[in-house]
Amino acid sequence: EPEVTQTPSHQVTQMGQEVILRCVPISNHLYFYWYRQILGQKVEFLVSFYNNEISEKSEIFDDQFSVERPDGSNFTLKIRSTKLEDSAMYFCASRWQDLGEAFFGQGTRLTVV
Amino acid sequence: SQQGEEDPQALSIQEGENATMNCSYKTSINNLQWYRQNSGRGLVHLILIRSNEREKHSGRLRVTLDTSKKSSSLLITASRAADTASYFCATDARSNDYKLSFGAGTTVTVRA
Repeated sequence: EPEVTQTPSHQVTQMGQEVILRCVPISNHLYFYWYRQILGQKVEFLVSFYNNEISEKSEIFDDQFSVERPDGSNFTLKIRSTKLEDSAMYFCASRWQDLGEAFFGQGTRLTVV
Repeated sequence: SQQGEEDPQALSIQEGENATMNCSYKTSINNLQWYRQNSGRGLVHLILIRSNEREKHSGRLRVTLDTSKKSSSLLITASRAADTASYFCATDARSNDYKLSFGAGTTVTVRA
């Protein structure tokens, strides 16, 4: 069964360092998302991406964040200069159509030290 | 805010019993999706129910939607230890720019 895959599963980084979280969405999907979940808290929307551009972003998604779809398969989230409060589980999701079933990856646990 | 809010926050049941959890939301939606999350793991899609549907089944899962009350319920029948997880509802709406809004979840523990 097709699935969304994310790498790495766990990343530890020093404060101030750049990180890139990678995602391979389901192959025929057109809508891509990043969400995050701070430990013990709700899943929060970060950004949505469609037709090679950001369609919506939250207040969390400030200038330190960027997304890219560098080729036909990968979808990346970059955090330029990580802060302690960026520590969270980051989830990539994709769906074939807006308002369709959204499938999530297993997540990348980011720990900023 | 569009966010769904689950109730109860936590639920502990015996294996074989049914588990019911509820989700309430504030504004009109196009659909509502339920997810399961095992501790520290990814979100597994369980079921999507559209705003013009009242009930949907998938295996041991039964989801209802009452748009007049802005609420949904998820019933897991004949629960198993493997059903131990957190369950989240997520609302989906054109008015919310097509982004899913998640509630805080219900943590279900199934005792053997």
